[in-house]
Amino acid sequence: DGGITQSPKYLFRKEGQNVTLSCEQNLNHDAMYWYRQDPGQGLRLIYYSQIVNDFQKGDIAEGYSVSREKKESFPLTVTSAQKNPTAFYLCASGFYGYTFGSGTRLTVV
Amino acid sequence: DQQVKQNSPSLSVQEGRISILNCDYTNSMFDYFLWYKKYPAEGPTFLISISSIKDKNEDGRFTVFLNKSAKHLSLHIVPSQPGDSAVYFCAAKGNQGGKLIFGQGTELSVKP
Repeated sequence: DGGITQSPKYLFRKEGQNVTLSCEQNLNHDAMYWYRQDPGQGLRLIYYSQIVNDFQKGDIAEGYSVSREKKESFPLTVTSAQKNPTAFYLCASGFYGYTFGSGTRLTVV
Repeated sequence: DQQVKQNSPSLSVQEGRISILNCDYTNSMFDYFLWYKKYPAEGPTFLISISSIKDKNEDGRFTVFLNKSAKHLSLHIVPSQPGDSAVYFCAAKGNQGGKLIFGQGTELSVKP
């Protein structure tokens, strides 16, 4: 079955650490996206990529970095520069309609 | 600048009645609109969509209405069921590639 897989489901980060969230899709989609969900704020776009080796900043890119070396993969790194990283992170792929992964809950400890 | 707004954070309806979720947008260049349903700790799932050339689209119990002059769309769920309890996001396709702009979400609670 085609789909989009995020891992891990839960992630704990210590202050000052970088962590990387994985996102893999086998839907043959060119475009992939990272969103962050906070209570009462909906889904906010962090980064997106419309093609391999190319990506653009979304609305809240500060403190995050991405890479797109393969069509199937779009990992997100939450750096120590992100001051409030505790959130639910969602990866998606597609063009007119998105298919979402099941999300990663990141908590700073 | 919130281009897609869902002004009701929550909505409670009785089982069997109609649920109406509303969404407003500001960008007249949006040409495609979608509704997603989301359960806690899960990713959103696609529910229904509508193109700007239409004013209504139905899929079973779900109907989306688009009023372009008012820049308003609504999702009707009839009849509402307890399993419909979730957060509903509306989204609009911008004029910059395939990037979707999401509203803040409305939490629907359907009481038995």
